[in-house]
Amino acid sequence: AQSVSQHNHHVILSEAASLELGCNYSYGGTVNLFWYVQYPGQHLQLLLKYFSGDPLVKGIKGFEAEFIKSKFSFNLRKPSVQWSDTAEYFCAVKVVTDKLIFGTGTRLQVFP
Amino acid sequence: GAVVSQHPSRVICKSGTSVKIECRSLDFQATTMFWYRQFPKQSLMLMATSNEGSKATYEQGVEKDKFLINHASLTLSTLTVTSAHPEDSSFYICSPSGLAGETQYFGPGTRLLVL
Repeated sequence: AQSVSQHNHHVILSEAASLELGCNYSYGGTVNLFWYVQYPGQHLQLLLKYFSGDPLVKGIKGFEAEFIKSKFSFNLRKPSVQWSDTAEYFCAVKVVTDKLIFGTGTRLQVFP
Repeated sequence: GAVVSQHPSRVICKSGTSVKIECRSLDFQATTMFWYRQFPKQSLMLMATSNEGSKATYEQGVEKDKFLINHASLTLSTLTVTSAHPEDSSFYICSPSGLAGETQYFGPGTRLLVL
């Protein structure tokens, strides 16, 4: 069965630190990849997505992610985090059945 | 992004009662509707997928007779939690989808608390 793994469950950083959140998936076919963010008390928002083309995709708020097909990975990065980036981050994979499968999420806390 | 609404945003009910949650896609036609459930500090778990005018397909472990899904139109889908129990307390989120492969957007969610 398809699955999505996020290895970092809880990340604590100081402002201006660099961020990298891991995401790996298990599916051998064509996938679409997403990162969503859920700020406290709010609904899911799309950060960025990869369908095809340049494997390095840029999203909103300075986030980017790199798709490495050989590693089945789609890690999220940000060079310098801010306190306002405190949120839950979800990696998700959409497979040909059109189901969107979510990772377990990573809780990011950024301290001033 | 797409505009998706859910009603109610929050509901408290007694054990044994039924609760209906509405999901509307306001600016596009949702041929497919996904319903998710999110328990506190956990990820979103897909409950069921419905296509407009068809019966929903439920994920393993989700009781179809307990979680009734109606997707009668391209802009409205409902999830009814029948005979709710405290363990059904959760955050229910709908996600309408139009074309295959399109980015999936999410409703603001409905927080259900069963006493």
